[in-house]
Amino acid sequence: NAGVTQTPKFQVLKTGQSMTLQCAQDMNHEYMSWYRQDPGMGLRLIHYSVGAGITDQGEVPNGYNVSRSTTEDFPLRLLSAAPSQTSVYFCASSYSETSGSLGELFFGEGSRLTVL
Amino acid sequence: QKEVEQDPGPLSVPEGAIVSLNCTYSNSAFQYFMWYRQYSRKGPELLMYTYSSGNKEDGRFTAQVDKSSKYISLFIRDSQPSDSATYLCALTNAGGTSYGKLTFGQGTILTVHP
Repeated sequence: NAGVTQTPKFQVLKTGQSMTLQCAQDMNHEYMSWYRQDPGMGLRLIHYSVGAGITDQGEVPNGYNVSRSTTEDFPLRLLSAAPSQTSVYFCASSYSETSGSLGELFFGEGSRLTVL
Repeated sequence: QKEVEQDPGPLSVPEGAIVSLNCTYSNSAFQYFMWYRQYSRKGPELLMYTYSSGNKEDGRFTAQVDKSSKYISLFIRDSQPSDSATYLCALTNAGGTSYGKLTFGQGTILTVHP
């Protein structure tokens, strides 16, 4: 099992450019989410999905789009990058509450994005 | 006011010390309380999980929850250099689609020196 795989690990963008951060999980988890981590801010939820075809906004969704066409994949799109989006992005997945699990989040290793 | 406040530290202790990490929260709807550990340049990993007031022990780690005071703690006994990491408290509501939607504290950077 690879767990949660994120690509790329590092990326530098210029203001206004667009890009997609990829996330894939092989644990058959229903729930997937994207967080960003900034110094002194902890992790903040960007977008969230409870299953294929279903997405919802988190605490800081502006400037980001997501889609969930399969159970395994949950890409995060930056439409027009801004310096405020310089951050470390983490994708995470978990079982749903109906599975009887504790709701533990499994994280990828992160994607470090710099917007100049 | 943030929903979850965590003392950001950083915290530097000698090997063998007892470490206390703390979070306070304001939302009474939080029912599940977790501690995640994050090593440098890695994703967070679940360390401890509790859902009721009281203490839960796992080896050198003890998680404590006081719902009446909205206060959670993580104690590390006999700290080791391998415990050096960022520790994040994380809280969530009970049921529904709250699973996977965690509210995190700011994280405390802990360094245990030999």
